[in-house]
Amino acid sequence: GDSVTQTEGQVALSEEDFLTIHCNYSASGYPTLFWYVQYPGEGPQLLFRASRDKEKGSSRGFEATYDKGTTSFHLRKASVQESDSAVYYCALSGITGNTGKLIFGLGTTLQVQP
Amino acid sequence: EAAVTQSPRSKVAVTGGKVTLSCHQTNNHDYMYWYRQDTGHGLRLIHYSYVADSTEKGDIPDGYKASRPSQENFSLILELASLSQTAVYFCASSDWGEYTQYFGPGTRLLVL
Repeated sequence: GDSVTQTEGQVALSEEDFLTIHCNYSASGYPTLFWYVQYPGEGPQLLFRASRDKEKGSSRGFEATYDKGTTSFHLRKASVQESDSAVYYCALSGITGNTGKLIFGLGTTLQVQP
Repeated sequence: EAAVTQSPRSKVAVTGGKVTLSCHQTNNHDYMYWYRQDTGHGLRLIHYSYVADSTEKGDIPDGYKASRPSQENFSLILELASLSQTAVYFCASSDWGEYTQYFGPGTRLLVL
């Protein structure tokens, strides 16, 4: 079945460091890919999404490129800030039937030290 | 801006008791979802609904029921709460044909 793998469970960085969170997916067809961010005490919120091969999604300095060849959608940011500390989820749209379901990775906790 | 609200925001329940978590959305969305979040498991889908008066089982439906009395409201019911159901529960909504889901702030449930 469809699945999403996030390699890093936790990432600890200092301000202005470069961030990469790896996301690989397994799905037939052409799923839509998402990055969600969850701040403490809140629900997940959409960071951005991409629907086509080579499409770049971006928001708030974060970006990821849909790569169907490597089945990846890695999240990157050139210079992180303490306020970026949060849990980041990669997700893909369920493509079997029009259920609107999303399949989430396990999440990556980002901790940025000042 | 999407608006999904949940009540209560936190609850302490006793084992074997009945718990009802409520969700309300003002997005005019067709789809609504219930997830639970646990450390090490991420977000797991419990039940979802794409139309009023109809619900569907998600990936972990055992021990939970759902009710969708109207397009705006979606409830999650634990008939006999158990210790293992201690978790944070999130409701979400999305529009038909549009996969982006909008989440509520969550309900923290502690079963003792």
